[in-house]
Amino acid sequence: QKEVEQNSGPLSVPEGAIASLNCTYSDRVSQSFFWYRQYSGKSPELIMSIYSNGDKEDGRFTAQLNKASQYVSLLIRDSQPSDSATYLCAVNRRDTGNQFYFGTGTSLTVIP
Amino acid sequence: NAGVMQNPRHLVRRRGQEARLRCSPMKGHSHVYWYRQLPEEGLKFMVYLQKENIIDESGMPKERFSAEFPKEGPSILRIQQVVRGDSAAYFCASSKQGMDTQYFGPGTRLTVL
Repeated sequence: QKEVEQNSGPLSVPEGAIASLNCTYSDRVSQSFFWYRQYSGKSPELIMSIYSNGDKEDGRFTAQLNKASQYVSLLIRDSQPSDSATYLCAVNRRDTGNQFYFGTGTSLTVIP
Repeated sequence: NAGVMQNPRHLVRRRGQEARLRCSPMKGHSHVYWYRQLPEEGLKFMVYLQKENIIDESGMPKERFSAEFPKEGPSILRIQQVVRGDSAAYFCASSKQGMDTQYFGPGTRLTVL
């Protein structure tokens, strides 16, 4: 079983819609959770981090964490064509010396 | 306020040559991580270092690959006797402390001919 699983997509949404990206992780000792955005040919760029259960909002982005279900999601409101990218979920486990485990990413396309 | 620096950005090597990739962490960061990304694949952890110390190298291939982060200067990922399968993007990330957010450099794209 992979440490972090994401639906690879591609996910297509019309401009202005809400894009919902999901991620599950396998180990209950995971403690920190991150969403990165990666444009084609570029490096990953941090969007949000979340550490405790519930929602965390930052502009058009909302991260949701449910540790009981081992599930973290990213909602993008009012999606824009510039949001078209691959979104990587990452988790961090204290017991593995701060190693980050990345999902394979979900490809998002926002259609104008 | 410089971010994570990597050089070179593009590196071409012939099979059997050595590749040296350099990474300078963000100012104030003492933790460095190396990742490899193959086309259409996710990021694969390779190694985690602090100054003069390898913390976790569980993702490093057993042969030909090595990494260091000396007291002075950048972290270096060294690949000896490169093969075509080593062609990939290699990303470096840094963090201020363990368990902290990682910030990525622009990557080095290695092509082995």
